[in-house]
Amino acid sequence: DQQVKQNSPSLSVQEGRISILNCDYTNSMFDYFLWYKKYPAEGPTFLISISSIKDKNEDGRFTVFLNKSAKHLSLHIVPSQPGDSAVYFCAASPIQGAQKLVFGQGTRLTINP
Amino acid sequence: AAGVIQSPRHLIKEKRETATLKCYPIPRHDTVYWYQQGPGQDPQFLISFYEKMQSDKGSIPDRFSAQQFSDYHSELNMSSLELGDSALYFCASSSLAGPSYEQYFGPGTRLTVT
Repeated sequence: DQQVKQNSPSLSVQEGRISILNCDYTNSMFDYFLWYKKYPAEGPTFLISISSIKDKNEDGRFTVFLNKSAKHLSLHIVPSQPGDSAVYFCAASPIQGAQKLVFGQGTRLTINP
Repeated sequence: AAGVIQSPRHLIKEKRETATLKCYPIPRHDTVYWYQQGPGQDPQFLISFYEKMQSDKGSIPDRFSAQQFSDYHSELNMSSLELGDSALYFCASSSLAGPSYEQYFGPGTRLTVT
């Protein structure tokens, strides 16, 4: 039972354009959502997060949008850069505290020069 | 800034052997999490510790055990290894004093069971 789903295994975007990565979840108990970036042979790197009480959080080139009614969130990267090429994981946590993260399957983003 | 340290980075074991993976959290982080990532899969939560006490448990086999020590480092002990245990094992840490839902991951230990 995949509680966090990233339905696009891969995405290819031209350098300088916007990259939009999508994520859906099924568990209404999730309160926090995070995006991680992962390069081969490295651990996931925290990018940005959002609490369920917000619908948008922005940090530099990265913006995360949350639509609670649709149980959907998205990560926007603009402008996209070649160094953004990596696997992006969406993750969710039930409540603040020592809680496990539930990950999506990941989306491989490739930025073409 | 100091990051999560995991050792060893690579480990090759034979079936039925035992393995011990170590994790050193970011300084002043009080919570440690272990995740297993199989080939082409998303990371799956195994177990977590807060202040040296087990705080949550996921899909961790009975052959595995873990603990957190007084210096907050953690060890994952795996016995009677099976071929299916071959995976990347990540440790993450967080601090309940900060935004604790933000977990910071180490580089992982790649375990290969032959």
